[in-house]
Amino acid sequence: GEDVEQSLFLSVREGDSSVINCTYTDSSSTYLYWYKQEPGAGLQLLTYIFSNMDMKQDQRLTVLLNKKDKHLSLRIADTQTGDSAIYFCAPRSGARQLTFGSGTQLTVLP
Amino acid sequence: DTAVSQTPKYLVTQMGNDKSIKCEQNLGHDTMYWYKQDSKKFLKIMFSYNNKELIINETVPNRFSPKSPDKAHLNLHINSLELGDSAVYFCASSRQRGGTGGTGELFFGEGSRLTVL
Repeated sequence: GEDVEQSLFLSVREGDSSVINCTYTDSSSTYLYWYKQEPGAGLQLLTYIFSNMDMKQDQRLTVLLNKKDKHLSLRIADTQTGDSAIYFCAPRSGARQLTFGSGTQLTVLP
Repeated sequence: DTAVSQTPKYLVTQMGNDKSIKCEQNLGHDTMYWYKQDSKKFLKIMFSYNNKELIINETVPNRFSPKSPDKAHLNLHINSLELGDSAVYFCASSRQRGGTGGTGELFFGEGSRLTVL
């Protein structure tokens, strides 16, 4: 099955950029998602990228995909305190279920 | 209107008891899931149903029994609760299993925090 790895913790200062990294093992992953989990809440889809794309930009969010290295990253520009949350990388292959990484706890310091 | 709703939100119970968590989605989705999130926030799939049919059953103890009376509901019953069952259980749904025509995005409930004493 798919293995997905992420760093557990990231701290940044308010206004700086955050970069959350993810590596995965299944090269047939077709959709790669980023989910956000705020404290005490369920996961919500933040953004996603198709496997035939290298980059996707959505306002403050930039997703980069390196298929050769099976590496996905999420960049958040001008990070705000409201961005403090756990971010999950989740690749999906075909009709299979999503595989979630361990999540990266992003802490934004004032 | 809440898209995916779970009840109860919190559940505290003694070891050995039997408990149920209910889930309902009003999105018209065909597929529903149960995930378990442990204390380290690691999220692991337990079960998935598509149109009331069980399609994913990960290596979960048979003390856990899902039931889907219709495609809008997926309940989780747990027998003989153990300390290690303490976790947050998330219900989720998606439009379809992930075939053509959809991104397979999951919509999550807010979670049910189970504490076994």
